[in-house]
Amino acid sequence: DTAVSQTPKYLVTQMGNDKSIKCEQNLGHDTMYWYKQDSKKFLKIMFSYNNKELIINETVPNRFSPKSPDKAHLNLHINSLELGDSAVYFCASSQDPLRDQPQHFGDGTRLSIL
Amino acid sequence: GDSVTQMEGPVTLSEEAFLTINCTYTATGYPSLFWYVQYPGEGLQLLLKATKADDKGSNKGFEATYRKETTSFHLEKGSVQVSDSAVYFCALSDRGGGSQGNLIFGKGTKLSVKP
Repeated sequence: DTAVSQTPKYLVTQMGNDKSIKCEQNLGHDTMYWYKQDSKKFLKIMFSYNNKELIINETVPNRFSPKSPDKAHLNLHINSLELGDSAVYFCASSQDPLRDQPQHFGDGTRLSIL
Repeated sequence: GDSVTQMEGPVTLSEEAFLTINCTYTATGYPSLFWYVQYPGEGLQLLLKATKADDKGSNKGFEATYRKETTSFHLEKGSVQVSDSAVYFCALSDRGGGSQGNLIFGKGTKLSVKP
């Protein structure tokens, strides 16, 4: 069984569209994350959620909005997509980051903006 | 702020060669250090970790020692295999600093092992 699953795996769309990426974890973890990986493989955290509370929001445009309907899900909604949003987006979860519990990653969603 | 610097790749080795990937860090608090591996088309997986100075993390033949005096956490393996071909990320989690336990990654080092 996949621990952290995200859908879709590939997303091709046009500039200006609105899209969502879904993420679910079945590990019972309290904290979930979204990362963006650019074409040079550089990973940067976008958001983290702990028990449905946003605890970090890095300098991410407000076109990006995380939505967590429950502890097991953290979806990423993106409005008015731009060319620079093309990247691979990874969802992750961990039990207790302050106790160095490892993060478990999904397989990524490759977003391509035409 | 906190940061991680790792050697740029790509690194190309022959099977059974010795591997070192350098990683140094800057942190304001008391970081824990990690190596994650990303195989082609997959997400990141934890490879090993060390939570305090002089700790050695090890897994699958890989090792890294937390060196506070040199602020380093270099990854080593004595004999690489083709299946080790992947991108390796050094990361820190600084509980006492500003990252609130979140991971800060280096830029990744791509390793290619040839048969």
